Amino acid sequence: DTGVSQNPRHKITKRGQNVTFRCDPISEHNRLYWYRQTLGQGPEFLTYFQNEAQLEKSRLLSDRFSAERPKGSFSTLEIQRTEQGDSAMYLCASSWDTFNGELFFGEGSRLTVL
Amino acid sequence: TQLLEQSPQFLSIQEGENLTVYCNSSSVFSSLQWYRQEPGEGPVLLVTVVTGGEVKKLKRLTFQFGDARKDSSLHITAAQPGDTGLYLCAGPLVPGGYQKVTFGTGTKLQVIP
Repeated sequence: DTGVSQNPRHKITKRGQNVTFRCDPISEHNRLYWYRQTLGQGPEFLTYFQNEAQLEKSRLLSDRFSAERPKGSFSTLEIQRTEQGDSAMYLCASSWDTFNGELFFGEGSRLTVL
Repeated sequence: TQLLEQSPQFLSIQEGENLTVYCNSSSVFSSLQWYRQEPGEGPVLLVTVVTGGEVKKLKRLTFQFGDARKDSSLHITAAQPGDTGLYLCAGPLVPGGYQKVTFGTGTKLQVIP
């Protein structure tokens, strides 16, 4: 399977715990995006990488959130001291460098904070 | 402020009916994409429209980009239960918005057999 891969698919955690999500993009893609989606809503932009450089971050990304893409391949999104409001689907997408807006998404990682 | 507004928000129709979903903005987009998302899955790209006034067809789905590149529509003919899902429009803003793709509010479609 050469699509975007995310894990874990589901994570249930207690408030105050740290969680980390991993995304493996399509291998030929240089661009990698993280989005957050709550039930029935459209995805909200969190951050964007071109190769290993994090070029843009949303105001939604509080200081408890951090994302890395150390070697320009896979990426991780860490949430520290989780809050109930962090419960959402976290989506990763990748795209080619000659970008026309098309994103290829993984299946998402659903986070539930109790 | 949501840059891309979709309407209707919810739509429940009988199999075989036709429907149109709208995506509107006050901003200009360099291109616009439509995605379909099923529960518990990531969005799947359906189509990209680039030129103002462009019309693209994908089987029973017809997509149109507005002349001013600020709006788009998706028309489904003879809807099937397999069309059920959340339909999302999205696009990078002009100018300089290539890095960030903005998504619409979504239209949840249910097709009843």
